[in-house]
Amino acid sequence: DTAVSQTPKYLVTQMGNDKSIKCEQNLGHDTMYWYKQDSKKFLKIMFSYNNKELIINETVPNRFSPKSPDKAHLNLHINSLELGDSAVYFCASSRAGSTGGVDTQYFGPGTRLTVL
Amino acid sequence: SQQGEEDPQALSIQEGENATMNCSYKTSINNLQWYRQNSGRGLVHLILIRSNEREKHSGRLRVTLDTSKKSSSLLITASRAADTASYFCATAGSQGNLIFGKGTKLSVKP
Repeated sequence: DTAVSQTPKYLVTQMGNDKSIKCEQNLGHDTMYWYKQDSKKFLKIMFSYNNKELIINETVPNRFSPKSPDKAHLNLHINSLELGDSAVYFCASSRAGSTGGVDTQYFGPGTRLTVL
Repeated sequence: SQQGEEDPQALSIQEGENATMNCSYKTSINNLQWYRQNSGRGLVHLILIRSNEREKHSGRLRVTLDTSKKSSSLLITASRAADTASYFCATAGSQGNLIFGKGTKLSVKP
């Protein structure tokens, strides 16, 4: 069984479109995350959810919105896609997301988004 | 904000050689983690070392931590072609996320 899964794996779309990426974890973890990896392989946190509450919202445009229907899912919605949104987006989960140390995170396979 | 910085950015070695990657970070930590990313794949956790530990082993991996210098190193012994990947160190952000360095791209030639 895949621990953290994402769909789709590849997403090619036109500028201005709205798209969603889905993420599911079957590890029973409390916290889920979205990271963005740019063309230089730099990974940056975008959002995390702990028990359906948003606990991080880095300086990402409000065109990006995370939605968590339940503890096992954290979807990423992107409105009005721009060229600069092209990147690989990774979902991850962990047991704990509180201060005082970070537990091991388990990553999905990534979604490569290409905006034309 | 970026916390860790790996060094070197790229490393090319022959199979059987040892590979050493270094990581420096800026703020105090509770633990430091190393992850591997194969090309086109997600990140895989390798090892976690706590701030009160100086060295930790896992199979062919050896991680050291020097909190006074705010640095860590990852040693892969007897490298294999399958070790070819990017390696990232990560420390905790202020609210439970991980902050990654830019990674070291390791190439192991058969």
